[in-house]
Amino acid sequence: SQTIHQWPATLVQPVGSPLSLECTVEGTSNPNLYWYRQAAGRGLQLLFYSVGIGQISSEVPQNLSASRPQDRQFILSSKKLLLSDSGFYLCAWSVMTHSNQPQHFGDGTRLSIL
Amino acid sequence: AQSVTQLDSHVSVSEGTPVLLRCNYSSSYSPSLFWYVQHPNKGLQLLLKYTSAATLVKGINGFEAEFKKSETSFHLTKPSAHMSDAAEYFCVVSEEAGGFKTIFGAGTRLFVKA
Repeated sequence: SQTIHQWPATLVQPVGSPLSLECTVEGTSNPNLYWYRQAAGRGLQLLFYSVGIGQISSEVPQNLSASRPQDRQFILSSKKLLLSDSGFYLCAWSVMTHSNQPQHFGDGTRLSIL
Repeated sequence: AQSVTQLDSHVSVSEGTPVLLRCNYSSSYSPSLFWYVQHPNKGLQLLLKYTSAATLVKGINGFEAEFKKSETSFHLTKPSAHMSDAAEYFCVVSEEAGGFKTIFGAGTRLFVKA
């Protein structure tokens, strides 16, 4: 069966520090991969999605970047964090190119910027 | 244009009473529709999905939803609420139109009173 792992579960970082959040998927090949941010009490905002190694699409301009160095690995990064980067970050995967297939989510990373 | 509206930001029910979470959508094509549940500090878990088969869809934990094309609705129901159902619920629409796009609703917070 397929599983998705995100780490760390929680992270407290000072303003201006770098960030690296990692997400890996097991049990499937060529998945679509997604990074979402969820602000407190709000819905999901799609940040990035990827349909293959090295292929990243950005949905909103921001202080963050994403990379996909391997088929089942998706990394969210920042060189210098801002206070507004605080939130709950979720990684998800889905079967490639079928809208009738759901996305499957990791347990998320709670990021607090001080 | 594709959109999804969850008509209630908060719903409160007593344990043992029925649950109704309302979702309306718009789509230019034949959409796929999903309901997810999110417990605090967790990722989203798929409850059920509609993908142009039976209009009444049964999901996990006793939830079901009915796709009504004439009303463009996909409401989530459960006959009897349990305390463990207290969570955030998201309605999601996905369609293929020269590439596919997924839109998440803003979420409905379900409170269950003892």
